[in-house]
Amino acid sequence: KQEVTQIPAALSVPEGENLVLNCSFTDSAIYNLQWFRQDPGKGLTSLLLIQSSQREQTSGRLNASLDKSSGRSTLYIAASQPGDSATYLCAYSGGYNKLIFGAGTRLAVHP
Amino acid sequence: DAGVTQSPTHLIKTRGQQVTLRCSPISGHKSVSWYQQVLGQGPQFIFQYYEKEERGRGNFPDRFSARQFPNYSSELNVNALLLGDSALYLCASSLDWRSEKLFFGSGTQLSVL
Repeated sequence: KQEVTQIPAALSVPEGENLVLNCSFTDSAIYNLQWFRQDPGKGLTSLLLIQSSQREQTSGRLNASLDKSSGRSTLYIAASQPGDSATYLCAYSGGYNKLIFGAGTRLAVHP
Repeated sequence: DAGVTQSPTHLIKTRGQQVTLRCSPISGHKSVSWYQQVLGQGPQFIFQYYEKEERGRGNFPDRFSARQFPNYSSELNVNALLLGDSALYLCASSLDWRSEKLFFGSGTQLSVL
């Protein structure tokens, strides 16, 4: 069964902290792994995409790593801001457009 | 350029009714995928269409169907609605069926009473 687990399920931190969000998956034959951001009642915005042959990707204050052998990915958020408050979802693709999602980590950054 | 547009944004139906959700992809995108997101869970893949043909289907009952039109827009139909069909339905478009980059719409929130 294809499964994605995200830990923690929820996180509340003061502004300025560096954060680590974890994602684990059971399927070893992944094509790529993506991190998305979702604001309440809204669609998904792609943050980072890591190919299966890559180890990490960076965009601004975000860095995502991928360890395919252990079935883990980590999203680092540096110097968190209140505007970072959202749900963060990881998803992997076994090929093409079918994404398998985790349930997400709900992040609240308070001033 | 307009992003992925979905209509309606909200919908309330009663059990047993039928519903049609609509999606217009980004201009130039030929593939459309549908996902169901139940509250508190991640999205689940329902269908992918490319060039009017079904390219993939998730583990959903036959009450769920979809189609893609020549202009690449798409409709998702759900018959005989159940309370458990209440969810946010997301449409995503991509250049083609193998593209890794998906662009999601804001979704249609369906409530079944």
